[in-house]
This record gives sequence, structure tokens and C-alpha cells, in this order.
Amino acid sequence: EPEVTQTPSHQVTQMGQEVILRCVPISNHLYFYWYRQILGQKVEFLVSFYNNEISEKSEIFDDQFSVERPDGSNFTLKIRSTKLEDSAMYFCASSEEGGGYTFGSGTRLTVV
Amino acid sequence: AQSVTQLDSQVPVFEEAPVELRCNYSSSVSVYLFWYVQYPNQGLQLLLKYLSGSTLVKGINGFEAEFNKSQTSFHLRKPSVHISDTAEYFCAVRDTGFQKLVFGTGTRLLVSP
Repeated sequence: EPEVTQTPSHQVTQMGQEVILRCVPISNHLYFYWYRQILGQKVEFLVSFYNNEISEKSEIFDDQFSVERPDGSNFTLKIRSTKLEDSAMYFCASSEEGGGYTFGSGTRLTVV
Repeated sequence: AQSVTQLDSQVPVFEEAPVELRCNYSSSVSVYLFWYVQYPNQGLQLLLKYLSGSTLVKGINGFEAEFNKSQTSFHLRKPSVHISDTAEYFCAVRDTGFQKLVFGTGTRLLVSP
């Protein structure tokens, strides 16, 4: 069964540093997403991406966040200057038109 | 705006007993509905989804859910749970014209012997 692949599985970074979280969505999917889950809390939408541009973003997705699809397979989330409160599990997902998402197994980001 | 309410933060149950995890949603338009399961230290796995058609949806691992439009509910059920069903269960909703999924706060199912 096709999978969404995320790397790394765990990232530790110092406050103020830039991090890039990487994802390989399912190849024939058209929509790509990032969600995050702070420990013990619910899963929150960050951004959706379609046709090489952001289609929707949440209030969380401020200027320190950016997404990119640098080639035909990867989808990245960049956090420019990490803060302690950015510590969370970040999930990438992809979907076709309609239907459910397929989520990756997540990247646990720890900001120290 | 969409929202999802999972009233039960935790549901303890004995092995082989039936279980129902409740989910109610609010939305001004027609919706797609989903249940995801998250095992400890793992990602989100799709259990089942309602897109259209029959209101009773069957998913993996013996779970099923029923879409009730008049009550705006999508409760998840399993007639006999196993220890291995211990996990966090998330209900999610998506407006049919949009892509964003909105999640509930989750229900932790604790199955004991």
C-alpha cells in the first residue's frame, strides 16, 4: 500500500535555528498538507498545498513557516527561527481530490 | 466554521466488551467524516471514512461508524474490543468543498484484561 514518508523521525534543534522537515507524498496525489500535534493535544492544521502554491493556511502558519515542493517528489516544511513552543509532532499528509488523507508517521521536533 | 466534539477524553473498557466512541460535528455544509487511530508513538492511521452513500461505514480492525445527519454525529463502534485496540482515536471532518481536515480532541481507549 502506498505510503507517505517523513524524515527525519526525530529532530532536536536549538532555539533560533532553522529546521527543514521533509516528506515524500504518495506519487499520484495532488494535495499536500502539514499538521502538527503538540504533546497530549489535538492534531492541528497548518497548511495545504495544491498546484505548486498554498491553498489554505491556519493562524499558526505565520511568517516563520514556509513550504516548498522543490522537485516532483518532495514536500518540505521550513521553520525559520524555531521557538520552544514549536516542539511538536509534525505530520505530512497527501490526498487525491475528495477522499481521505494518508498521513506519514511524523517527525518529532524538539526545540531546546 | 467546522468543529468536532469528542465528549469522552478517555474510555476504559474490558477486553471483549463492546465500545462506542462518540463524535459530533458542526458544519454549515455537507461533509466528509473520518476516524483515525493513533497507537503510542506512531502516526495517524485511517480507520474508516464516510464520503457518501450508506450511512453505516465499516472500517479496519472490526470497527464501524454510523453517520447520522439529523444528529450531526458519527459515532465509532466495535462489538468486541481487544487489548491491542488500546490507542487514541480521532474523529475528523472536512467540508466537501475544501481540503482541510478538522480534528476532535481525541478519545483514549483503554482496554484492560
